[in-house]
Amino acid sequence: EVQLWEAGGGLVQPGGPLRLSCVASGFTFGNYAMNWVRQAPGKGLEWVSGISGSGDGTYYADSVKGRFTISRDNSKNTLYLQMNRLRADDTAVYYCAKVGDPVVTVTSEFDYWGQGTLVTVSS
Amino acid sequence: DIQMTQSPSTLSASVGDRVTMTCRASQTISNWLAWYQQKPGKAPKLLIYKASSLQIGVPSRFSGSGSGTEFTLTISSLQPDDFATYYCQQYHSYCRFGQGTKVEIK
Repeated sequence: EVQLWEAGGGLVQPGGPLRLSCVASGFTFGNYAMNWVRQAPGKGLEWVSGISGSGDGTYYADSVKGRFTISRDNSKNTLYLQMNRLRADDTAVYYCAKVGDPVVTVTSEFDYWGQGTLVTVSS
Repeated sequence: DIQMTQSPSTLSASVGDRVTMTCRASQTISNWLAWYQQKPGKAPKLLIYKASSLQIGVPSRFSGSGSGTEFTLTISSLQPDDFATYYCQQYHSYCRFGQGTKVEIK
């Protein structure tokens, strides 16, 4: 059974850093691109970032480019999102999501999602 | 950037109704489109991928159609468990979601 479990969310002050992690199980982690998707309170879904299965390709939404860094450790089946210079509008539930198609570089349909971790940016 | 527009924003329907919602892309995305169902406090659930392929385990009352820039999600007979918000997602160029269609009880 595929499982994704995010951790690392919490309350952070504007301008501060935070690192999210997502531990995966139930599939060959390194064979699949992984992504982060966020959802601000009461709002829709926003794609944040994606990374290829090998980790050599990374992609970002314009809203986070230069502030967030996605990475992965395939030996630990873990996906990361390093978030720096956080702003109030980064407040959201952050989901990690697995692509459904193993041949894609970064995005396809997302067939499995974690439960989400809440990041609140506030002073 | 490819923009995704869903309509309507809210849809009021009754159990047993046939329900259709639309997703339009600002440029052609071939059939690189998925549909998700999301309930409050839960992660999205994949329903349809490649515009019309039903995800394993999803009831057959859900169907998707379209290609290019216009897509539809149809629920043939609305069930109590189907009251939720539905999102489309293009993955032709990176990823972008529509703003959602909320299906509420009439």
